[in-house]
Amino acid sequence: QKEVEQDPGPLSVPEGAIVSLNCTYSNSAFQYFMWYRQYSRKGPELLMYTYSSGNKEDGRFTAQVDKSSKYISLFIRDSQPSDSATYLCARVNQAGTALIFGKGTTLSVSS
Amino acid sequence: NAGVTQTPKFRILKIGQSMTLQCTQDMNHNYMYWYRQDPGMGLKLIYYSVGAGITDKGEVPNGYNVSRSTTEDFPLRLELAAPSQTSVYFCASSYSIGPNRGADGYTFGSGTRLTVV
Repeated sequence: QKEVEQDPGPLSVPEGAIVSLNCTYSNSAFQYFMWYRQYSRKGPELLMYTYSSGNKEDGRFTAQVDKSSKYISLFIRDSQPSDSATYLCARVNQAGTALIFGKGTTLSVSS
Repeated sequence: NAGVTQTPKFRILKIGQSMTLQCTQDMNHNYMYWYRQDPGMGLKLIYYSVGAGITDKGEVPNGYNVSRSTTEDFPLRLELAAPSQTSVYFCASSYSIGPNRGADGYTFGSGTRLTVV
């Protein structure tokens, strides 16, 4: 029941670039998604969550859900070396009791 | 406020040995989870609990057991360790999941790196 696919990368960009991280999902019933950031050898931490469709913005980060194409996106503006991490998208399982994670995309921002 | 505490941080086991990974949270969260993370494979749910005395299987429960006798503790037991159980194990807790119950998301521990040789 994974049904959340994510390109593992790695993705390398220069400092200041706009980064787009994407996940796709297969079941249109899914409406609640989260993005987690995981630094090397650390536990993941919640970055943002989105519900249904549309955008949600928090500082340099924007989360977007496109229901028509079943795409979940995380945009990072003015990327910084401190953004270098693995980014995981997640959805709530059908029972509403746990999160199902994508494989994660590893991002490297060079100064 | 310690959050989610996992012990040990590192462990090497021999094939066939058993061990318990400890997880404690001090946030009075009802929901607790165990995930394993293999390189390039994301996080896979092993077991979870929605409250003391209630546990349920996740995606990859074989070879593991859990118990939840208190709100704070959620130990993961490995019986007869196998090389396939070499992984990084994360414990997490949450007050709620999903938009109908709030949007806290998970608080993760720092992980236990387990090698079975």
